[in-house]
Amino acid sequence: DTGVSQDPRHKITKRGQNVTFRCDPISEHNRLYWYRQTLGQGPEFLTYFQNEAQLEKSRLLSDRFSAERPKGSFSTLEIQRTEQGDSAMYLCASTPTGRQTQYFGPGTRLLVL
Amino acid sequence: DQQVKQNSPSLSVQEGRISILNCDYTNSMFDYFLWYKKYPAEGPTFLISISSIKDKNEDGRFTVFLNKSAKHLSLHIVPSQPGDSAVYFCAASGEGGATNKLIFGTGTLLAVQP
Repeated sequence: DTGVSQDPRHKITKRGQNVTFRCDPISEHNRLYWYRQTLGQGPEFLTYFQNEAQLEKSRLLSDRFSAERPKGSFSTLEIQRTEQGDSAMYLCASTPTGRQTQYFGPGTRLLVL
Repeated sequence: DQQVKQNSPSLSVQEGRISILNCDYTNSMFDYFLWYKKYPAEGPTFLISISSIKDKNEDGRFTVFLNKSAKHLSLHIVPSQPGDSAVYFCAASGEGGATNKLIFGTGTLLAVQP
């Protein structure tokens, strides 16, 4: 399977703990996006990478959130000092340069207790 | 401010009939529109897209229509099948800059009755 993969698929944590999610985009897709989806809403943009460069961050991405894509391949999204309001589905998508269709992974569902 | 709106939270149709899902947008900078299908606990699956220079795009049972003057697009599914039952999201991109981030609507739950 050469689609976008995400790990873990589910994460339950206690408030105040740190969590890290991983996204492996489709091979040779140099554009990578993170989105967050809460119940009853559509996915909302969080951040965007072109290769290893993080070129845009949404105001939704508070200081507790950090994302990296160190070698321009996989990406990680870390949430520090999690809060109950961080409970959501975190989605990763990728696309090659010059294309506008984004392909999504299965998501990581986070529950903060 | 919701730039992409799907005003029908749900839609129920009979198997074999046409399903029409609607989407409205407010930002005239959008130049590319997409429809995604989503099952619970899974990521969105790309269905079909349309550039703003076109008014129709067809792929098998799926057709997307774009009315730029009305800032409206619709997805037609003919014939509808029970396996089409899912949440459908409309998305738009191209609001400016090179990011091409997607702006999503809130989704429409389609139920196709056998």
